[in-house]
Amino acid sequence: KQEVTQIPAALSVPEGENLVLNCSFTDSAIYNLQWFRQDPGKGLTSLLLIQSSQREQTSGRLNASLDKSSGRSTLYIAASQPGDSATYLCAVHWMDSSYKLIFGSGTRLLVRP
Amino acid sequence: AAGVIQSPRHLIKEKRETATLKCYPIPRHDTVYWYQQGPGQDPQFLISFYEKMQSDKGSIPDRFSAQQFSDYHSELNMSSLELGDSALYFCASSLRQSLDRGYEQYFGPGTRLTVT
Repeated sequence: KQEVTQIPAALSVPEGENLVLNCSFTDSAIYNLQWFRQDPGKGLTSLLLIQSSQREQTSGRLNASLDKSSGRSTLYIAASQPGDSATYLCAVHWMDSSYKLIFGSGTRLLVRP
Repeated sequence: AAGVIQSPRHLIKEKRETATLKCYPIPRHDTVYWYQQGPGQDPQFLISFYEKMQSDKGSIPDRFSAQQFSDYHSELNMSSLELGDSALYFCASSLRQSLDRGYEQYFGPGTRLTVT
């Protein structure tokens, strides 16, 4: 069964700290992996897309890596700010006949001033 | 840049009523997806359309139906609403021919449906 797991479920850090969010997935035959941010009750903001042929993607203070063989991706946030507080979701698009995304349960991040 | 548009943004219905959610994909995108996110849950795939044909089906109740029209907009029709249908409904679109972006899905702001 294709599943996406995110740990930790919640994380609280002081402002300025560098942090890592983890995402693991069953079945390494993926097409791509997307990281999203979601503020409470709001929509999904796409942060980074990593295709299966790529090892990492960077956008500003965010860096996402992909290790397909071990079924893992990490989202690294540098110099965290209170405005980074949100839920971060990892979603995988597998190389089957389907084009849907399967989401993890997310990591709820709180950055304390 | 144009984004995915969903309407309405908020909808309140009573049990057993019917609701229709609309989605307007990014221009030239050929695939539309519908997801449901219940309170405190992760988004779950419902159904998708490619070039106006149903492409894939997930955990969509039989009470729900959807279609994609000739102008590529899509509608999700929900009948005999139940309290458990209260959720945030997202529409996403992608361009399957976009080899450089690897089928990236772009999400709309969602429609919050409340069933009372």
